[in-house]
Amino acid sequence: GNSVTQMEGPVTLSEEAFLTINCTYTATGYPSLFWYVQYPGEGLQLLLKATKADDKGSNKGFEATYRKETTSFHLEKGSVQVSDSAVYFCALTFLNAGGTSYGKLTFGQGTILTVHP
Amino acid sequence: DTAVSQTPKYLVTQMGNDKSIKCEQNLGHDTMYWYKQDSKKFLKIMFSYNNKELIINETVPNRFSPKSPDKAHLNLHINSLELGDSAVYFCASSPAQLAGGPGDTQYFGPGTRLTVL
Repeated sequence: GNSVTQMEGPVTLSEEAFLTINCTYTATGYPSLFWYVQYPGEGLQLLLKATKADDKGSNKGFEATYRKETTSFHLEKGSVQVSDSAVYFCALTFLNAGGTSYGKLTFGQGTILTVHP
Repeated sequence: DTAVSQTPKYLVTQMGNDKSIKCEQNLGHDTMYWYKQDSKKFLKIMFSYNNKELIINETVPNRFSPKSPDKAHLNLHINSLELGDSAVYFCASSPAQLAGGPGDTQYFGPGTRLTVL
């Protein structure tokens, strides 16, 4: 079946440090890949996405590249801020044999990021 | 002008009770979802409706019954609540999925924290 594996957390960084959160996936068909972010006490928000191999998603200084050869979608940011403290979820949807997806998101386990001043 | 809203935000109840959570979206989307987030932050889809029709039903106990009176609303009713039902429940919506479009963004509500005592 389809699954997403994220690096174990929590991750604690100082402000302006470089961030990488690893994400790998297992999927049949052609998945689209997402990073969602959950700030404390809130629902999830889309951070970025990529729908085909070699696409790069980017938003708010975060980037992730869809790597089909390594089945990965690692999240990176060059200089984190205290306001980036949140839980980050890697996720995928996929097209089934009938060409539909029904939008079912399969999530990784989430990575808690804490950034200190 | 909230996009996806849920009520109540917090719900504390005794084992064996029946409770409902309501969800409304004003985005004009055709597809709505319920997700469950456990204490370790793991997110899993429960149900999805497209234009009031059930299209995803994961292995959820039949004590959980979603109801969609129209495409802007998807309510979740839970019978005979158990301790293990304690979690945060998120509603989400997205544009139509049946024709493909696996890259469509899902918009999440703020969540309902259910505590069963």
